[in-house]
Parts: sequence; C-alpha cells; structure tokens
Amino acid sequence: GQNIDQPTEMTATEGAIVQINCTYQTSGFNGLFWYQQHAGEAPTFLSYNVLDGLEEKGRFSSFLSRSKGYSYLLLKELQMKDSASYLCAVRDGAQGNNLFFGTGTRLTVIP
Amino acid sequence: EAEVAQSPRYKITEKSQAVAFWCDPISGHATLYWYRQILGQGPELLVQFQDESVVDDSQLPKDRFSAERLKGVDSTLKIQPAELGDSAMYLCASSPAGGRQYFGPGTRLTVT
Repeated sequence: GQNIDQPTEMTATEGAIVQINCTYQTSGFNGLFWYQQHAGEAPTFLSYNVLDGLEEKGRFSSFLSRSKGYSYLLLKELQMKDSASYLCAVRDGAQGNNLFFGTGTRLTVIP
Repeated sequence: EAEVAQSPRYKITEKSQAVAFWCDPISGHATLYWYRQILGQGPELLVQFQDESVVDDSQLPKDRFSAERLKGVDSTLKIQPAELGDSAMYLCASSPAGGRQYFGPGTRLTVT
C-alpha cells in the first residue's frame, strides 16, 4: 500500500523561504508530484520528480531521494498568494500508475 | 491552454436523492479519473477510465456510485441515493498516456 506523510499546517513570513517535507512508502514508485491547491479550487501542477535530485522552476524547487522515500518542496521569496495547500502525490506503478495523495500541507503566509 | 471542464460547480441535494456530475476532459486525453476530496484531506481515486473502459474502480462504492464514459470522451459520475457522508469535492482529471494529470475545477457537493 501507500503511506504518504506531510505536515498538516505551516506558517511562514512574506519574502522568506519555506520547505515542505513529504515522506512516502510505496511498492512501485514511479514518480512524485507536487500540486498547489487554493481553497475551493482544483489542484494545479507544480513539479514532478522521478530521479534523485533537485528540480528547479522559478521560485519553486522540488527534491527527491528515492532511497530515503523523501521529497521536499522549497518555496522562495514567499508571496501572500502562496497561501494554499500543497499536496504531495506518489505515482505507483504497481497500482496502475495511479496517484496517491497525502493529506496536504496548508501553508499560511503572513506579512 | 486547454482545460478539463466540470459541471455543476456546486450542488446541494437532500439525502436519499440522486445526483450526477459531468466531466469533459482535455481533447485527446485517453485517461480520465474521478476523485473525491473530503475537506482537509487529499484527493482519493474513485474510478479510472482508459478510453471507454474502466481500468480501476476498486475504491468506488458500487452500491450507490456509478460512472460511465460511453464514447470515451466525456464522463458522468452518479450517486444514488446520496448520503450525508458524500459531502465533498468531486474532482475530474485527465491525462495523455503516461503523462501528468490535469484537474478540472471540481464539483462541491453538499448533502443535507
């Protein structure tokens, strides 16, 4: 089965850097996704990692260590609009390449 | 950029009534997914279609939920009868073969 853990809530200051961690256990790992979800809206794609290392995309970066079952999403130069939930999702090749989501981390950016 | 369409965006229904949601995936996406997201939790897969065929419906409560994608394009998810615990956001997503999933805006269902 899948076991995906991420913190429930985080608070950070505008302009700062925040790291959201995600750990997972899955039998057929085939990629890890990060999605952003504003309240009442659909998840939107942020990043994808399938190999170990860091993927950078503007203010957002995502890191993966497959041996540790660990990923993080790094948000730099935080803006108020970054207040949202951040969902970690693992694609499981042993389960039809289905996505399994964590509960999400609700990030609040304060002035 | 093409988007996944869903309707209605909001639905309020009384328990024991029937309710249906519609999804139109991005053109050319063979795979379509229906998820349920309870407030404060991540989305959970209900059913996955490849073209018109169900690939995975292991988490679909089949006593009350049904889904179809008759022509392999748009899809309908039905609940009959609705229960209070069905109140949630119902998300549709589509993907090209092996590609990432694109989510629609969702239908927020409230059962009273």
